[in-house]
Amino acid sequence: DVKVTQSSRYLVKRTGEKVFLECVQDMDHENMFWYRQDPGLGLRLIYFSYDVKMKEKGDIPEGYSVSREKKERFSLILESASTNQTSMYLCASGGGQREVILPTYEQYFGPGTRLTVT
Amino acid sequence: AQSVTQLDSHVSVSEGTPVLLRCNYSSSYSPSLFWYVQHPNKGLQLLLKYTSAATLVKGINGFEAEFKKSETSFHLTKPSAHMSDAAEYFCVVSNSSSNTGKLIFGQGTTLQVKP
Repeated sequence: DVKVTQSSRYLVKRTGEKVFLECVQDMDHENMFWYRQDPGLGLRLIYFSYDVKMKEKGDIPEGYSVSREKKERFSLILESASTNQTSMYLCASGGGQREVILPTYEQYFGPGTRLTVT
Repeated sequence: AQSVTQLDSHVSVSEGTPVLLRCNYSSSYSPSLFWYVQHPNKGLQLLLKYTSAATLVKGINGFEAEFKKSETSFHLTKPSAHMSDAAEYFCVVSNSSSNTGKLIFGQGTTLQVKP
């Protein structure tokens, strides 16, 4: 089974703190993604990475950065946490360009990190 | 550009009755389509996927969905609801012309199952 793990299930941080959310996948996927999920807004893509050290902005990158130093690990960084970043953060991984079979692009999700910024 | 619209934000059914969750998509290319389920305080789990093979797709837990190109729809159905089906469901589309694997999510439909 594909496994995507996230470093914390629940996290409470203070405004202005630097926050690191980590995600690890064990399926050798090339693509990894960070989303935030808010009631009524569904899932919104923050950043994604299609290879080590490669990253691209998603729909709402402001206030966030990412790091992908190793294929299996994708970190989301909140440079200076603010209360409007209180949310559920979901990490996902998927196939990639090297799939031989027609790529199906399904993503596998971690359990989520519920971050509260006070 | 791709988009997906889930036509109901909330659906309520009685246990043992059929489930219908509606989804319409818009895509310039041949899409891949998915349904994901999210139980409370959990991550998303893939229910089923359509990738240009059979138009009727069977998934886990008795769910299935039919791809109808003429109607640009991908509705999710189940003949008989179970209490454990209560969750949030997301219809998702992928642009198969892109190799980045980005997905576009609908707003979600909350399924309530009454005893």
